[in-house]
Amino acid sequence: DQQVKQNSPSLSVQEGRISILNCDYTNSMFDYFLWYKKYPAEGPTFLISISSIKDKNEDGRFTVFLNKSAKHLSLHIVPSQPGDSAVYFCAASDAGNQFYFGTGTSLTVIP
Amino acid sequence: DAGITQSPRYKITETGRQVTLMCHQTWSHSYMFWYRQDLGHGLRLIYYSAAADITDKGEVPDGYVVSRSKTENFPLTLESATRSQTSVYFCASRQGMNTEAFFGQGTRLTVV
Repeated sequence: DQQVKQNSPSLSVQEGRISILNCDYTNSMFDYFLWYKKYPAEGPTFLISISSIKDKNEDGRFTVFLNKSAKHLSLHIVPSQPGDSAVYFCAASDAGNQFYFGTGTSLTVIP
Repeated sequence: DAGITQSPRYKITETGRQVTLMCHQTWSHSYMFWYRQDLGHGLRLIYYSAAADITDKGEVPDGYVVSRSKTENFPLTLESATRSQTSVYFCASRQGMNTEAFFGQGTRLTVV
């Protein structure tokens, strides 16, 4: 059973607008959340993370929001750029050693 | 070069053959992981290791074997490859709890 879900397989956004990628999780023991970006034929690269003691973390154009009561995570990219076009994976971990990944959302930023 | 590297990048093998995918990291990270990426499934954990000589199963371990005799290396072996093991395999490492993992560039394995 998928513990981390990304229900939107794809998203298209105009350049300069905001991209919002969503992620839901089921395990209330998850305490660390991450977003990864993946280009074709490359490995995933780390983008941003958030601990469960926070509800927001910013890094430049990227902001991650965590709503623990709703078990929901979102990534905001503003302004979106064509180079942001990639597959985005959210991931979560608990006190154990594993990351659990979602199935990914393919973002296309239209120039 | 510093970082995490996988070899080979591409591999075609026949059903029933044994194949080993290599993973090497230069950071002396404690944790190492093997994932496979398949359409509709995202990244699924095969095996992971918390330290040298310590390994544990992930979500999809059947048909795979790992070892970790040295901190920097974490090879993944398919003992008798099957077509269902055709996938892209990613190795990753992380220093400790609540830290990000760094991924290799992937190995695309095709079993014919």
